[in-house]
Amino acid sequence: NAGVTQTPKFQVLKTGQSMTLQCAQDMNHNSMYWYRQDPGMGLRLIYYSASEGTTDKGEVPNGYNVSRLNKREFSLRLESAAPSQTSVYFCASSYAPPGYNSPLHFGNGTRLTVT
Amino acid sequence: AQRVTQPEKLLSVFKGAPVELKCNYSYSGSPELFWYVQYSRQRLQLLLRHISRESIKGFTADLNKGETSFHLKKPFAQEEDSAMYYCALVAGGSNYKLTFGKGTLLTVNP
Repeated sequence: NAGVTQTPKFQVLKTGQSMTLQCAQDMNHNSMYWYRQDPGMGLRLIYYSASEGTTDKGEVPNGYNVSRLNKREFSLRLESAAPSQTSVYFCASSYAPPGYNSPLHFGNGTRLTVT
Repeated sequence: AQRVTQPEKLLSVFKGAPVELKCNYSYSGSPELFWYVQYSRQRLQLLLRHISRESIKGFTADLNKGETSFHLKKPFAQEEDSAMYYCALVAGGSNYKLTFGKGTLLTVNP
């Protein structure tokens, strides 16, 4: 039982390049999330998927797109990377909304640097 | 809009001393509040939630609606408590937007 798995762990991009961050969970969770973590800023929600087939914007969605490929997988795409997107990206999942005794389970993170 | 404020970026205490990590929130309704913790080289994980009124690893947190606070307390800090602590809030009901504070890095010195 791996929980939430993110790939890659590290990535360096040049400005303007594109990439997709992958996330998969094996806990049969319905909901999945993408957060970014910046020094002094805490974690900020980029996008979330309440259930398979749905996605919604979080606090900082600009410059990102997401795909809920199936119940297990939720990917985050940067179409044209910018230095401001240098961050640590965390994927998380939960069985139900966070307030329903349903904690978020986090992956190990992807450290992305855009030069 | 909901907001979570953790006024201390860094907090350093000695082993055996009491510790209090402060958290204040801004939300007009009845929120659900949580503390998440990230130990070195481990994943971010839930520590406790206010609605459970539980004590986890000796930590407790009481929701004070009058002061809009949810401070995390432990009477006797241990070295293994050293970690980054995040206070988080979600609006009640079927809401998925969990908002985190900026975090407090707790260091417990021997």
